[in-house]
Amino acid sequence: AQSVTQPDARVTVSEGASLQLRCKYSYFGTPYLFWYVQYPRQGLQLLLKYYPGDPVVQGVNGFEAEFSKSNSSFHLRKASVHWSDWAVYFCAVSMGNYAQGLTFGLGTRVSVFP
Amino acid sequence: DPKIIQKPKYLVAVTGSEKILICEQYLGHNAMYWYRQSAKKPLEFMFSYSYQKLMDNQTASSRFQPQSSKKNHLDLQITALKPDDSATYFCASSQERGIYFGPGTRLLVL
Repeated sequence: AQSVTQPDARVTVSEGASLQLRCKYSYFGTPYLFWYVQYPRQGLQLLLKYYPGDPVVQGVNGFEAEFSKSNSSFHLRKASVHWSDWAVYFCAVSMGNYAQGLTFGLGTRVSVFP
Repeated sequence: DPKIIQKPKYLVAVTGSEKILICEQYLGHNAMYWYRQSAKKPLEFMFSYSYQKLMDNQTASSRFQPQSSKKNHLDLQITALKPDDSATYFCASSQERGIYFGPGTRLLVL
């Protein structure tokens, strides 16, 4: 069965600094990978999705992620963080069969300070 | 305008009672899902439906029963509620591989 590990439960970053959130997946086969963001008291919003192809994926609000098959990773990056990026970020993996849903990591809580 | 509507937003129930969580999506998607988010646990996939038919059920308990009266509706009936059922329940839908989530129903069972 597939699994997702987000090793950092909390990350604190200064506004304007760069951000990297780590995601490691475990899956036998070709994964489909996703990053979601959950703002306080809201539902999940899709940031970006990876289908087999270009390993660097561009998302919304300046986010991008890079897939590495050798490292089983799908790390999320942003060059310059804004205070509005204060949220919880979830990495998820799918087998590509939409009927079977997504497997999520525990999430990384990002706090942004001036 | 919200594309996935969940009602109610908040719900308080007593142990042993029954509740129905409502979900409607206006994205034109054929697949719908229920997920549960509990404290200190990963977001957990519960059910998937496609064209109103159950595709996958990862919920061990029969107390959780999805109901689809229309293609864009997928309600969740929970019977014999327990305090451990307290969580936020998210409805979601997809057409391609990206899954889009509703705002959630926060359930508290006392």
